[in-house]
Amino acid sequence: AQSVTQPDIHITVSEGASLELRCNYSYGATPYLFWYVQSPGQGLQLLLKYFSGDTLVQGIKGFEAEFKRSQSSFNLRKPSVHWSDAAEYFCAVVRGSARQLTFGSGTQLTVLP
Amino acid sequence: EAGVTQSPTHLIKTRGQQATLRCSPISGHTSVYWYQQALGLGLQFLLWYDEGEERNRGNFPPRFSGRQFPNYSSELNVNALELEDSALYLCASSSGPRERWYNEQFFGPGTRLTVL
Repeated sequence: AQSVTQPDIHITVSEGASLELRCNYSYGATPYLFWYVQSPGQGLQLLLKYFSGDTLVQGIKGFEAEFKRSQSSFNLRKPSVHWSDAAEYFCAVVRGSARQLTFGSGTQLTVLP
Repeated sequence: EAGVTQSPTHLIKTRGQQATLRCSPISGHTSVYWYQQALGLGLQFLLWYDEGEERNRGNFPPRFSGRQFPNYSSELNVNALELEDSALYLCASSSGPRERWYNEQFFGPGTRLTVL
């Protein structure tokens, strides 16, 4: 069975600092990976996705993620965090035929002024 | 272009009652997905509908059911409500499976269901 692990429940960074959110997956075949962000009281917004090809993918709001097959990881990064980035971030994987997203438990990001 | 809409925003019910949640997909999308986001349990897949048919179901009891209408909107029904059904229910839509094996799912703002 596929699974997604986000080892950090809560991360606090100062505004302007760099950010890395970790995601590890367990999946037998080539994974299709996603990062979503959820602000309080809102739905999920897709930040970026990886299907194949270049292992470094660029997303919206200045985020990027790198797929590392050898480490089964898909970590999200941002070089300089803004206060508006405070939210909860979810990593997800999809199993193609079923099309359902399997989510990690999420990482809550707090940004200090 | 309007995004995925859900109604109501909040819903309060008592144990044993039935709840009906509604979702309107993005225009042109034929697939609708339902997810439950419960405290402590994270985001879990509930149901997938496409072209009016149930295509896949998550690990939930049969009292969770739904349907998709000819205009591709969808309803999620939860019968015999239990306290642990309290959660945010998110609906997502995407273009249909014939176009590509997978397309991005766009999420609505959710319906907060509280069971007292």
